[in-house]
Amino acid sequence: GEDVEQSLFLSVREGDSSVINCTYTDSSSTYLYWYKQEPGAGLQLLTYIFSNMDMKQDQRLTVLLNKKDKHLSLRIADTQTGDSAIYFCAERGNQGGKLIFGQGTELSVKP
Amino acid sequence: KAGVTQTPRYLIKTRGQQVTLSCSPISGHRSVSWYQQTPGQGLQFLFEYFSETQRNKGNFPGRFSGRQFSNSRSEMNVSTLELGDSALYLCASSAQGNEQFFGPGTRLTVL
Repeated sequence: GEDVEQSLFLSVREGDSSVINCTYTDSSSTYLYWYKQEPGAGLQLLTYIFSNMDMKQDQRLTVLLNKKDKHLSLRIADTQTGDSAIYFCAERGNQGGKLIFGQGTELSVKP
Repeated sequence: KAGVTQTPRYLIKTRGQQVTLSCSPISGHRSVSWYQQTPGQGLQFLFEYFSETQRNKGNFPGRFSGRQFSNSRSEMNVSTLELGDSALYLCASSAQGNEQFFGPGTRLTVL
């Protein structure tokens, strides 16, 4: 079946790099996404990667995809206090626009 | 370009009542998806509409229904509300399906 797993918490110091990991089970995934959610807000699309790519870089964000191991990671360089939020990994299979989300990783950035 | 808008932002209902939530997608987007977010179950897919047709449906009871209008605006309805329906309801819009943009959500509280 479809399942997406993330670790629940990550704490880093301001200026360090953060790496948030995600694993998924659906081998027919077409796209994989990272969303950010701040308290009381909706989901903000950070970046996404097509399943035939293994890396995508967008400013401070780097996404790595290991399709063989079904492992996705999001690296945030030079993490700032404003990056504190919950980060969701999601995968989209071949059933239209339906997204399957992980539980979310709460990132805490300490000054 | 205006983002996804959802109305109302907050709603308080009592058990047994029904509720209608509205979502206006980004101009030009024809796909609208709905998700329920709760602390216990996380983000779960409700349904997806494309060009006024339901393209996909999640695993929710028949009390949850939706529709899409010719201008791509979508509504979802929950009848016979239960305490467990208290949640943040998020709507996402998409043009081609790869990028999905979320609205701020409607916070529903059932008393």
